[in-house]
Parts: sequence; C-alpha cells; structure tokens
Amino acid sequence: DTAVSQTPKYLVTQMGNDKSIKCEQNLGHDTMYWYKQDSKKFLKIMFSYNNKELIINETVPNRFSPKSPDKAHLNLHINSLELGDSAVYFCASSRLSSQETQYFGPGTRLLVL
Amino acid sequence: SQQGEEDPQALSIQEGENATMNCSYKTSINNLQWYRQNSGRGLVHLILIRSNEREKHSGRLRVTLDTSKKSSSLLITASRAADTASYFCATARGFGNEKLTFGTGTRLTIIP
Repeated sequence: DTAVSQTPKYLVTQMGNDKSIKCEQNLGHDTMYWYKQDSKKFLKIMFSYNNKELIINETVPNRFSPKSPDKAHLNLHINSLELGDSAVYFCASSRLSSQETQYFGPGTRLLVL
Repeated sequence: SQQGEEDPQALSIQEGENATMNCSYKTSINNLQWYRQNSGRGLVHLILIRSNEREKHSGRLRVTLDTSKKSSSLLITASRAADTASYFCATARGFGNEKLTFGTGTRLTIIP
C-alpha cells in the first residue's frame, strides 16, 4: 500500500511552460509538505499545509503555488518554468506537527530544457 | 549555513564493518531525526531522538545525542551492501509548526 504517492515520477518540459505535480497521502495525516532537492542533494522545504491551511511558506518564487483541496492532497503548480527549477521535488506528510516523523513520497524528477 | 551538517560527506567501508556518521547543529532542539535515502528514492525515517534522551537503538542502528556539544552520531553495525545510501540528520526546534531542517547528508558506500 502506497503511503505517500506523487505524480508524475518524471517531468521533462521546456522553459516557460506551466506544470503541476500531484501528491496524495493515505496515512490520515494532518500535515503535508513540499521539498526541493537540488543536484547536491540539499533538501529544502518549500511549503507546508496543516488541514488545508498554509503554515510554512519559505522564500519561494511566486511562480510556485501550492494547493490543498483536502488534507490528503497537496499539489504544486509551477508557472513559467526556468532552468533553475530543475530538481527533484518531494512531497511528505506527518501526523500532526512538522516536528514529528515525516513520510516521504518517491519524488518527481523535473528537468527544464 | 545549515542547521545540521553531517560529517563525513562521504564514507566507504567494507561490508561487515561499522559505519559512524556525525551531525552537528547550531540551535537548541526539541528532537533530532535520522533519515536514509537510497539512490533515486524518497527519504525514509530511521530514528527520532528527543532532546532529553542520550541514546537510542533500533536493530543495527544506534543514535547518540549530546545536546551540550550540539551533536549526534549514527552508528550502523555489521554493515550490509543494502545500507549503501545517503543519510541525513534533521533537527526540530519544537516551536509549533516550525520546519524540520535537514543537514547536508553523508553518502555511505558499503563495499561487498
């Protein structure tokens, strides 16, 4: 049974395009996250939602917009993609707060050409 | 600079040997967590150790925490080829929904 799933797994697109990544968790968790992992494996949080409410919004360009239709889903829409957006994006969830164990999805590998 | 920094950045050992990785951090914490990431996969949680704990075990894993030195270590005993992965520490400061901050990772390679 997949706990945290993301789609698509791979995304190759041209500069300037708009794309979305979807995330779903079936763990019944209240909090979900988006992380970006760069080529040096550094993992940086982008956003966090608790029960559909935005609680963490790091310094991320406005081109990135998260949406949480319900507490089991957290999607990430990216407008006007740039070369520097190429990275692996991970979705994660935790039961209540961000201080607890986090469960990660398999990642979406985004390549902007 | 990062809240958590792992040392060494990379480690290669023979199968069967023990592997030790260290993590240093800068501010006071509520808990410290260790995660493993296999190549091309998401992170998997290994152990959470709270600030009032000094040592924790899980199978072949042993984690220590020294809050006076702001450091933690992860020991993997009797290493196996399947332990080849990147290992990250992450710190939680304990303020409500404040973010979990990940370190830079140690790349562990087990040589069969």
